[in-house]
Amino acid sequence: DAGVIQSPRHEVTEMGQEVTLRCKPISGHNSLFWYRQTMMRGLELLIYFNNNVPIDDSGMPEDRFSAKMPNASFSTLKIQPSEPRDSAVYFCASTWTSGGETQYFGPGTRLLVL
Amino acid sequence: QKEVEQNSGPLSVPEGAIASLNCTYSDRGSQSFFWYRQYSGKSPELIMFIYSNGDKEDGRFTAQLNKASQYVSLLIRDSQPSDSATYLCAVENTGNQFYFGTGTSLTVIP
Repeated sequence: DAGVIQSPRHEVTEMGQEVTLRCKPISGHNSLFWYRQTMMRGLELLIYFNNNVPIDDSGMPEDRFSAKMPNASFSTLKIQPSEPRDSAVYFCASTWTSGGETQYFGPGTRLLVL
Repeated sequence: QKEVEQNSGPLSVPEGAIASLNCTYSDRGSQSFFWYRQYSGKSPELIMFIYSNGDKEDGRFTAQLNKASQYVSLLIRDSQPSDSATYLCAVENTGNQFYFGTGTSLTVIP
């Protein structure tokens, strides 16, 4: 059974460019989470969806970040324009309910903005 | 005040010893508590979750929860070098929001 799939695994881009990160949750899961991890701030929840609907986006740092979940099997996190301070590992996680359940993490996307 | 706080370590213990990892949280109404393990360069993976006050044991791991003190801990008995990793405490607060601590780095010395 495939786990959470993220792409790309690594992304190097220049400041000002648009970056799109992709996530495919585990089949049957109805909640999806986007996290950002840095050494300084640890793992931060950016946004989570339940049944494809954004429930809490209070962690999205600013308007440069946007996330969509057009269907149950796909989500994107977009940064436009990207800045060096966005460099981090971005994780997607999924679970089968909105809370109190185990989250399964994808392998992460390592983003470096030059 | 951060939602979830952990001692960043590093924590070093000899092989076979008990490793004790601690976590405090700010939202008194929090209901669900999780411990994740993260190896370097890898994604977090769940070790244990606990919802009720007291101890919960799973093999060499014991999670302890004290809601009155807003404190959750993870004990690893008979520590092995393969336990060397960063351990993340996660809390689901009353608003169903998940917060992670910054993690405690554990090194088990052979």
